[in-house]
Amino acid sequence: SQELEQSPQSLIVQEGKNLTINCTSSKTLYGLYWYKQKYGEGLIFLMMLQKGGEEKSHEKITAKLDEKKQQSSLHITASQPSHAGIYLCGATQGAQKLVFGQGTRLTINP
Amino acid sequence: GAGVSQSPSNKVTEKGKDVELRCDPISGHTALYWYRQSLGQGLEFLIYFQGNSAPDKSGLPSDRFSAERTGGSVSTLTIQRTQQEDSAVYLCASSSKAGGIVTQYFGPGTRLLVL
Repeated sequence: SQELEQSPQSLIVQEGKNLTINCTSSKTLYGLYWYKQKYGEGLIFLMMLQKGGEEKSHEKITAKLDEKKQQSSLHITASQPSHAGIYLCGATQGAQKLVFGQGTRLTINP
Repeated sequence: GAGVSQSPSNKVTEKGKDVELRCDPISGHTALYWYRQSLGQGLEFLIYFQGNSAPDKSGLPSDRFSAERTGGSVSTLTIQRTQQEDSAVYLCASSSKAGGIVTQYFGPGTRLLVL
């Protein structure tokens, strides 16, 4: 079965700094999702990537999928306190379910 | 429009009791999923419903777990004879179609604590 490994497991950055979270798959990714989780809010969908080399941006968050479709990165520019939370990458496994990485806990220090 | 809703938001129960968790998917979404998030296991798939097809129960951890979806909309996840290891956050998601690359939208979850 497919496994996703995220790094780092936790990250503490100063407000205003840039940061990157990585997600590596044991198999080719056919659909890679990034979600953010805050307590009491479930998982909030951020972006979905499908094609090798694809890059998407929303506000200050950019996600990329490498050409080989086995690694994705999530980059946040000029981090803000609102970016704090747990970031999860997920990949489609079959048509019915997502498998997830263990998550990256992001803390933003003012 | 309204997102996925779940109830209760928190549930504390005693070991051995049965619990029911409810999920209201986004209106018009035909696919519904249940996941469990626990400290040791991360986020795990439990069960999937699509229309009137037989559900994919491959992720249910034991026969104490069951789920149903009535009228193709609301779903209930039932845990019988709860154990302490059932303590977790139970998340429901829905999507507009099954198969292919579709985005699953998640509810806020139900936090279950078994004492």
